[in-house]
This record gives sequence, structure tokens and C-alpha cells, in this order.
Amino acid sequence: QKEVEQNSGPLSVPEGAIASLNCTYSDRVSQSFFWYRQYSGKSPELIMSIYSNGDKEDGRFTAQLNKASQYVSLLIRDSQPSDSATYLCAVRRAAGNKLTFGGGTRVLVKP
Amino acid sequence: GAVVSQHPSWVICKSGTSVKIECRSLDFQATTMFWYRQFPKQSLMLMATSNEGSKATYEQGVEKDKFLINHASLTLSTLTVTSAHPEDSSFYICSARSGRDNEKLFFGSGTQLSVL
Repeated sequence: QKEVEQNSGPLSVPEGAIASLNCTYSDRVSQSFFWYRQYSGKSPELIMSIYSNGDKEDGRFTAQLNKASQYVSLLIRDSQPSDSATYLCAVRRAAGNKLTFGGGTRVLVKP
Repeated sequence: GAVVSQHPSWVICKSGTSVKIECRSLDFQATTMFWYRQFPKQSLMLMATSNEGSKATYEQGVEKDKFLINHASLTLSTLTVTSAHPEDSSFYICSARSGRDNEKLFFGSGTQLSVL
């Protein structure tokens, strides 16, 4: 079992719709969770971080964390073609520890 | 946000040569930097953790004699791919934690290495 799992996609959504991405992790003591966006040939860019159960909203993005079920999700509202990218879920066990990345979900937003 | 500069952006070299990649934190001091490798359509794989003034910690399966890491100052870490071979062709990315927010990791722009 991979430490951090994501559906590779591609997840195809029409422009203006909501894109829903999921990520599950195996280490129960994980404390910090991050979503990164990566365009092809570029390095990852931090979108959201979440540390406690529940929802966290930032603009069109909402991260949801459920530690009991060991999953974290990302919602992208009003999806735009510029949101087409690979979204990486990353998990850290404790402050100062290394990040473990999922395989990424490729999102395609069609005009 | 914190800025991490990585150089060069891309490099093409002949098999057997060595390539040095630099990673600099421009507006903060990074006591810890991380080096990742990413093959096409795959996720980031941590190669090593670089701590200023001490030896790097390598992940299992990463050859420390082939991937030399030097973190001589709080703002600079280098990765040298020694005697590069075509299988070393990959996208190499450095990252650093900002002292202002130890939870967040900021990435360099990456280096695409192609070994002929």
C-alpha cells in the first residue's frame, strides 16, 4: 500500500463546474496536509495547507480533512481552463519531518 | 511568499560527465533543504534531506556517492550528479522550509537534466 494515494485521472470537468479530488494516506499519526498544483514541466506550487479536521476555504479552493477516515480532499469551484494541471497531495507526519507525496491527479478543465 | 531559486533550468550533457545544480533561498534562511527527483508522469520522490553544516540524509535506494549534496550555508545547497548516465535523466527539484512558517515547503523552479 502506498503511503499517499491519489487517483491518477485524468479528471475531466467542464468549465465552471466543481472539481473534486481525493487523497488517502496510511500513516495515522500524520499531522500536516498540503495540496500542490503542478503545471507540466514546472515545479509544484502550494495551494492549500490544512492541519485540523473539517473544511478550510481559500478563494475557489476548499480543502477537507477527515483524520478518522484518513483522507483529505480538494474542491475547486468554478473551474477554469487555467486550473488544468496535476494536483499533488502531500502529507507530513510531524513538524520538521519530510513530506510524502501522492502520485498526483491530472485535472482537465474543458472550455 | 518565500522564494527559492534553482539553477540551471535545464542541462544537456554527455554520459559520464558531472552536473551541478544549485538551490538558493533568496529571502530567508533555510536550515533544511530537500532534493526531489521526478520522472515523467510520476510524483516527486525525495532523494535526500540537506542540513546546513552537516552531511545529507539520503533516502533508501539513493546512492550518496553518485548524488553529492553540499549545504555549506543557510541559503545555498548544491546537488552534483556525478558520472551521469541516461537513466539519470529526470526533473530535479529542490525545496526549502521558510523559517517564518516551518510548516510550508517552497520549491525551486526545477532542473530538467537530459543525459545523452
